[in-house]
Amino acid sequence: SQQGEEDPQALSIQEGENATMNCSYKTSINNLQWYRQNSGRGLVHLILIRSNEREKHSGRLRVTLDTSKKSSSLLITASRAADTASYFCATVLQGAQKLVFGQGTRLTINP
Amino acid sequence: NAGVTQTPKFRVLKTGQSMTLLCAQDMNHEYMYWYRQDPGMGLRLIHYSVGEGTTAKGEVPDGYNVSRLKKQNFLLGLESAAPSQTSVYFCASSPAGTGGLSGANVLTFGAGSRLTVL
Repeated sequence: SQQGEEDPQALSIQEGENATMNCSYKTSINNLQWYRQNSGRGLVHLILIRSNEREKHSGRLRVTLDTSKKSSSLLITASRAADTASYFCATVLQGAQKLVFGQGTRLTINP
Repeated sequence: NAGVTQTPKFRVLKTGQSMTLLCAQDMNHEYMYWYRQDPGMGLRLIHYSVGEGTTAKGEVPDGYNVSRLKKQNFLLGLESAAPSQTSVYFCASSPAGTGGLSGANVLTFGAGSRLTVL
């Protein structure tokens, strides 16, 4: 079974709007990562947040982590057409040495 | 700097045939991984390696074998392909393991290999 589950499965917004994607997980983690996948391409790492961190920023990206609720969110501000992609959260289980990916959120930015 | 290179990019097999997917990385990473991606299933870990000469099973290892004879290469083999193995396969590598609080645990992915088994 999947450790992380993204919500929503698909999101369509207008260019310039903000996009928020959520990730929930089941067991205690060491860190949580977000990746982007453009159609037909491999995944690209976006941001990593450690279990002892609550918020992290990278450019137009903002990630939050709430370990008490076992959830994370990815906010993309001022969206652009180039942000159209699938976004995956991935968790590292405590004591494990591998990432477990969610099913992803498909984001479409309409011009 | 090529990063992670997968070959072939596309392959069509008949049921029962065998094949090997090759992954090569030029970043001197210790860890390497093979994932498969299916619609609605996200990425699932098949096998991984924590260093040259080592391999370990992931979530869905059945029907696959792997080898890591050289640090830079990680091979994924299908001995007798089945239609259920139709998928997109991704190789990834990382400098170290993805556990702990270290920052050296981000995965670099290849572009993928699309395999169809008829």
